[in-house]
Amino acid sequence: GAGVSQTPSNKVTEKGKYVELRCDPISGHTALYWYRQSLGQGPEFLIYFQGTGAADDSGLPNDRFFAVRPEGSVSTLKIQRTERGDSAVYLCASSLMGGPNTGELFFGEGSRLTVL
Amino acid sequence: GDSVTQMEGPVTLSEEAFLTINCTYTATGYPSLFWYVQYPGEGLQLLLKATKADDKGSNKGFEATYRKETTSFHLEKGSVQVSDSAVYFCALSGAAGNKLTFGGGTRVLVKP
Repeated sequence: GAGVSQTPSNKVTEKGKYVELRCDPISGHTALYWYRQSLGQGPEFLIYFQGTGAADDSGLPNDRFFAVRPEGSVSTLKIQRTERGDSAVYLCASSLMGGPNTGELFFGEGSRLTVL
Repeated sequence: GDSVTQMEGPVTLSEEAFLTINCTYTATGYPSLFWYVQYPGEGLQLLLKATKADDKGSNKGFEATYRKETTSFHLEKGSVQVSDSAVYFCALSGAAGNKLTFGGGTRVLVKP
């Protein structure tokens, strides 16, 4: 497909476990974003990649959260020692270049994480 | 820091009614402003945007005007359809242009 793809669409895990969420952006898009959306709230910024590097990781809530984009395409969001408060929908978005002022962000449908 | 406040929903309307969703913002400098829409079962989509004061963004019959004096970007549509039922998010991109800051979203339900 031509859109942003996120896997898994749903993930249920137990408190304390490690999870990985994958984002496959639109081909050729250099900018990639991760957001977190809790129930009934707007998306909250986590991290922004330009190419392979994290240009802004100021939204990561603590050191249990980490994201990589080793080849400048697919990105993985990694959460260690999950807590119940991590339960949310994790959204990925990509854009052709730069931030939202320079190009439209295209969002995936999200990965719903439930921590029991 | 940057923030966006929008009216809480749900907003329930009849088809062909007039829709307004209020949005105000706080930001340093001159942000760009956006409305995103999330239809049931789909990802967020850009609906419209405005990049400077007094600009009007429009798309699919929706309009919003960037009002710097009132720090607002209210969304309007003159005659809604059932297919407009969705969650609408107001957002801004600040001076650095690195990211979007979203409001809490407003759910709109249009009944036939």
